Amino acid sequence: QVQLVESGGGLVKPGGSLRLSCAASGFTFSDYYLSWIRQTPGEGLEWVSYINSRGDYTNHADSVKGRFTISRDNAKNSLYLQISSLRAEDTAVYYCAREAGGLGFDYWGQGTPVTVSS
Amino acid sequence: QSVLTQPPSTSGTPGQRVAISCSGSSSNIGRNAVNWYQQFPGTAPKRLVNNDNQRPSGVPDRFSASKSGTSASLAISGLQSEDEADYYCASWDDSLDGWVFGGGTKLTVL
Repeated sequence: QVQLVESGGGLVKPGGSLRLSCAASGFTFSDYYLSWIRQTPGEGLEWVSYINSRGDYTNHADSVKGRFTISRDNAKNSLYLQISSLRAEDTAVYYCAREAGGLGFDYWGQGTPVTVSS
Repeated sequence: QSVLTQPPSTSGTPGQRVAISCSGSSSNIGRNAVNWYQQFPGTAPKRLVNNDNQRPSGVPDRFSASKSGTSASLAISGLQSEDEADYYCASWDDSLDGWVFGGGTKLTVL
């Protein structure tokens, strides 16, 4: 069955960096676009970044552009999000999600929490 | 401030029908499909509706959705206590070249 498992979250000081990972299994990883989506405590969902199936096209939300970088390794069935210059408002649970063409996100990971605090 | 606009909350009694609206613009809902997600506390969202009005396998037919112009709506009929959750609409936005979500609607079953 399809599984997405995030890791790498934690407590980091403002201005710090983290690398989030998402390990995928149960499907042909290289066939799918993937995204990172975050949810701040008690708030709604915010799309953060997406990457195409080959990994040669990405885009990021304006709120993280220049600070976050999405990447993937199709040989390792893994998705990554390098997050840097972290701010308090980046505190959130970060989900990786598989995109089913234009049909939205059909599978989500369980999320990894990131807390930015001094 | 979410790009798509949803009411923050709604409620209903068991057996009742409730509807949740989602308003967008010509760059998102007006030209792209709307998807709806259901989320219970402490869990990841689950896709409830895709492509404006299609239910993935396993989603009860009590859930239905529609779209007109730049607005969409999710309806839940025969409301049950287990439907109490947060509901989010989402669509691709051509101007932003990314996905946009509504702020979410908390459904309370009284």
